[in-house]
Amino acid sequence: EPEVTQTPSHQVTQMGQEVILRCVPISNHLYFYWYRQILGQKVEFLVSFYNNEISEKSEIFDDQFSVERPDGSNFTLKIRSTKLEDSAMYFCASKLTTGTTDTQYFGPGTRLTVL
Amino acid sequence: GEDVEQSLFLSVREGDSSVINCTYTDSSSTYLYWYKQEPGAGLQLLTYIFSNMDMKQDQRLTVLLNKKDKHLSLRIADTQTGDSAIYFCASETGANNLFFGTGTRLTVIP
Repeated sequence: EPEVTQTPSHQVTQMGQEVILRCVPISNHLYFYWYRQILGQKVEFLVSFYNNEISEKSEIFDDQFSVERPDGSNFTLKIRSTKLEDSAMYFCASKLTTGTTDTQYFGPGTRLTVL
Repeated sequence: GEDVEQSLFLSVREGDSSVINCTYTDSSSTYLYWYKQEPGAGLQLLTYIFSNMDMKQDQRLTVLLNKKDKHLSLRIADTQTGDSAIYFCASETGANNLFFGTGTRLTVIP
């Protein structure tokens, strides 16, 4: 069964450093999402992406964040200058269409630890 | 924005039924989902219900939706130790983004 994959599974970085989290969505899916889950808190929507541009973003997704689909298979989340409060599990998701019977499929997540 | 709430913990004995409850605030929610998260794993979609339905059954899982009260529940029949996990309720609005609850940690006691 096709699945969403994410790399790395765990990333440790120093405050102020840039990180890139990578996702490979399911191959024929058209809509892509990033969510994050701070330890012990809710899973929160960050951004959705379609047709090579951002469809919607939350208040969390400020200028420090960017997303890209560089090569037609990967979908990346970049955090330019990490802060301690960026430590969280980051989930990528993809969806075939926005049709009423389609659901989002989630990857296993990348745990980001900012020291 | 949408606010989705769940109780944090539930313990049941193996073989009993589990009922996990969820409330949401946005009456325009189109779909409501239940996801399961096992330790170190991603979010596994268990089931979902469209907002114009009030019940959906899928093997051991029964979803009940009370749209008037904005209350959703997931019943797991004959709960097994392998059902121990965190269960997330999520609401999807017209923007197709998901709003998640805090998750309910289900512990199944052998």
